[in-house]
Amino acid sequence: DSGVTQTPKHLITATGQRVTLRCSPRSGDLSVYWYQQSLDQGLQFLIQYYNGEERAKGNILERFSAQQFPDLHSELNLSSLELGDSALYFCASSTGTESEAFFGQGTRLTVV
Amino acid sequence: GESVGLHLPTLSVQEGDNSIINCAYSNSASDYFIWYKQESGKGPQFIIDIRSNMDKRQGQRVTVLLNKTVKHLSLQIAATQPGDSAVYFCAENQGGKLIFGQGTELSVKP
Repeated sequence: DSGVTQTPKHLITATGQRVTLRCSPRSGDLSVYWYQQSLDQGLQFLIQYYNGEERAKGNILERFSAQQFPDLHSELNLSSLELGDSALYFCASSTGTESEAFFGQGTRLTVV
Repeated sequence: GESVGLHLPTLSVQEGDNSIINCAYSNSASDYFIWYKQESGKGPQFIIDIRSNMDKRQGQRVTVLLNKTVKHLSLQIAATQPGDSAVYFCAENQGGKLIFGQGTELSVKP
């Protein structure tokens, strides 16, 4: 157990809908990262927050947004969902911005 | 550009042999590298990391080698065991952005 908790584990939704994925980082970790993993794209970095502020941004679509709350948990919001958004979404946390990141078990999103 | 790539998509080894998984990176400014192991249905698990001021780092049965001249990273697993079967990713940390390679699937034959 990495100490990073993601909910829900599985999510099935229809195209055009909006979903929210939640992540609780390890106790004491200030950084939270979001990744998308699909079969043909590997692990793609989406966004990173550090102590509530956006720190780095990857190839995150405009339909996606995230935030980190004062208690350091984070949410990833995916809207206007398309079939191609079906993937595993991972959250990771670390103490800082250049240290090992620990991953949660992921949320498997299926868009039908 | 930003890219981290793996030389081989699959690697099959005999139990007890040593495994070597390779990775090439393109950003010479990157100063921190990590190897992750991902088993089916699970999130990536940290194995070992190395900073750019080092050439080699050893852990328990694993060694990471960094060759900055040719921008190459390798993971060596000694006495490979069935439990080592997984997909292995190298990742390059660029100011907080952890960029992953495509992964190498390691299969251990009994």
